[in-house]
Amino acid sequence: EVQLVESGGGSVQSGGSLRLSCAASGFTFNSYWMHWVRQAPGKGLVWVSRINVDASVTTYADSVRGRFTISRDNARKTIYLQMNSLRVEDTALYYCARLPVVGAQAIDNWGRGTLVTVSS
Amino acid sequence: QSALTQPRSVSGSPGQSVTISCTGTSSDVGGYNYVSWYQQHPGKAPKLMISDVSERPSGVPDRFSGSKSGNTASLTISGLQAEDEADYYCCSYAGTYTYVFGTGTMVTVL
Repeated sequence: EVQLVESGGGSVQSGGSLRLSCAASGFTFNSYWMHWVRQAPGKGLVWVSRINVDASVTTYADSVRGRFTISRDNARKTIYLQMNSLRVEDTALYYCARLPVVGAQAIDNWGRGTLVTVSS
Repeated sequence: QSALTQPRSVSGSPGQSVTISCTGTSSDVGGYNYVSWYQQHPGKAPKLMISDVSERPSGVPDRFSGSKSGNTASLTISGLQAEDEADYYCCSYAGTYTYVFGTGTMVTVL
């Protein structure tokens, strides 16, 4: 069974940092690009970041570029999102998700999310 | 990276069909055949319903279908059922390994 389990969320003050983790299991981890997607309370989905299989290419939404860093450890089957200079508007449920390198070009599995709350 | 535009809500009676539009630009929806659709029930993670504009993953009922014309993609739910009541989001590849989601549509079964 495919599982993506996020952790590391919590409450932090504006300007602070958090590091999110996502542990993957039940599939061939290095056959998938991995993503972070967030959803503010009562709002829609927003794509945040993507990392390719060997971590050589990372991309970010304009709203987080320069503040967030995505990384992956294929040996541990885990991805991370280092979030610095956090802002109130970064408050959201952060989902880890996978997209297959080969086949349908769509996010086909999501974790349950980890909540990040940034206060002023 | 502006969000794709979706109607805020659509509704229909059981058995009817509803269509949700997703309007972007030539840099995202119009430029690639990588539009996907997700269903999200309250408090749950999104679920993939359509990939690559019109491909239905295994296990998704065939009453869900997708299409695209120009810069607008569409999701049609035929034979609407009570369990289809949820939020729906489109997503498009936007080039240079970036992606953009739609604003989301609430589907109500009357």
